[in-house]
Amino acid sequence: EAGVVQSPRYKIIEKKQPVAFWCNPISGHNTLYWYLQNLGQGPELLIRYENEEAVDDSQLPKDRFSAERLKGVDSTLKIQPAELGDSAVYLCASSFGGSSSADTQYFGPGTRLTVL
Amino acid sequence: GDSVTQMEGPVTLSEEACLTINCTYTATGYPSLFWYVQYPGEGLQLLLKATKADDKGSNKGFEATYRKETTSFHLEKGSVQVSDSAVYFCALSDQSGNQFYFGTGTSLTVIP
Repeated sequence: EAGVVQSPRYKIIEKKQPVAFWCNPISGHNTLYWYLQNLGQGPELLIRYENEEAVDDSQLPKDRFSAERLKGVDSTLKIQPAELGDSAVYLCASSFGGSSSADTQYFGPGTRLTVL
Repeated sequence: GDSVTQMEGPVTLSEEACLTINCTYTATGYPSLFWYVQYPGEGLQLLLKATKADDKGSNKGFEATYRKETTSFHLEKGSVQVSDSAVYFCALSDQSGNQFYFGTGTSLTVIP
């Protein structure tokens, strides 16, 4: 079974440029998550989708970050414009969903963003 | 709010030594608790989980018991191997399943 796929794996951009990350979740998983992981820290949730609906985006900096999940499958996370402090690893995860606390999340390899 | 606190690293052990990585949590109600592992160059993967008090999660020789009385979920292994070298994250999913919190991670290096 294919896992969560993310692309690109690495991205280097100059500040003020836009950038986009793509995620393809595990087939059949209704819930999709985007996390931010700074060096030496644990992941922090940015946004969570149940199918195509964003049910929790309280931690997403909406002035520069946006996300979408078309047709409830693939998702894209965008930053425009990028700032130096956005350098981090962006993780995508998926799960079966259903608002169960026991729901296991499966993570992709992440996209490492470097903003110069 | 809910949170997870785990032992800071890095931790360096000799092969076959015993491992304990401490994790405590703050939560209302009955959260689920998880340990995730991140091997070098790889993504996070679930190591084990426990969904109710006194449950023991186990996998690959690792164990952790959900202790509600001490709000803890310590990770243990009796004999570590070089291949266990990784970063270990304790995590919590709140009772509703709507919020997920990670600890800061503990880096483990096992030397031959």
